[in-house]
Amino acid sequence: QKEVEQNSGPLSVPEGAIASLNCTYSDRGSQSFFWYRQYSGKSPELIMSIYSNGDKEDGRFTAQLNKASQYVSLLIRDSQPSDSATYLCPSVGGGADGLTFGKGTHLIIQP
Amino acid sequence: SQTIHQWPATLVQPVGSPLSLECTVEGTSNPNLYWYRQAAGRGLQLLFYSVGIGQISSEVPQNLSASRPQDRQFILSSKKLLLSDSGFYLCAWSVSRTGGIGYGYTFGSGTRLTVV
Repeated sequence: QKEVEQNSGPLSVPEGAIASLNCTYSDRGSQSFFWYRQYSGKSPELIMSIYSNGDKEDGRFTAQLNKASQYVSLLIRDSQPSDSATYLCPSVGGGADGLTFGKGTHLIIQP
Repeated sequence: SQTIHQWPATLVQPVGSPLSLECTVEGTSNPNLYWYRQAAGRGLQLLFYSVGIGQISSEVPQNLSASRPQDRQFILSSKKLLLSDSGFYLCAWSVSRTGGIGYGYTFGSGTRLTVV
C-alpha cells in the first residue's frame, strides 16, 4: 500500500528563520512529487513540483528530492507568519493515479 | 486560464437524505477529474477519479457514487447519507499525463458537509 509519512508537528519556527519540512514515501514507483500548502478550512494550493533528484528553487521555497532514499523535503527561507499552514507532500506514479497524501505537517511561524 | 468551480461551499444534511455535489472545470479539455474527502484531523482520501466521460474508478468502497456526464463536469452523489460521510469534499483536476510524468492537481474550493 502506498504511504506518505510526515511529522504532523506542530513545527514552530521563528519569523525570518528557515523552516525545514520532510517527507518519506513508500512507493518506489512514484515519479512525481509535490508540495501543497493548506490553510485552515481552505483547499490545498500547489506550491512546488519536483520530478528529478536534486534541488529545485522557486523564490523562498526549495524542494529537495532523493529517490534512492525515498525522501523529499521543502525549505522555506525567511519564514513569514503567512507561511503558517499545513504542508502536504503527495506523490504519484504514472497514469491517472490519484495522489497519495499523508496527514501533513502543521507549521507555525512565530512573529 | 483554467478554473475549477465547486458548490455548494457548505451543506448541512440530515442522516438518510440524498447528496449531490457538482464540480466543473473551465479552460481545458479532457482533464482527469478527482473527488477527495478530508475528514476532521485526517489526511486527504481519494474517493473517485475519472479519465473521461462515463469513466469512473473508485478507490474506496462506500455509499457514495460519482458520475461524469460531460467532459468537464464531475458529480458526487449519495442516496442516503451517513453520519460518517461528514467531511470536507474536494474536487480536483489535472492534465492527462504523458510519458509517465504526473502533473500536480488543482483543487476546487471544497464543500464542507455536515451530516446531522
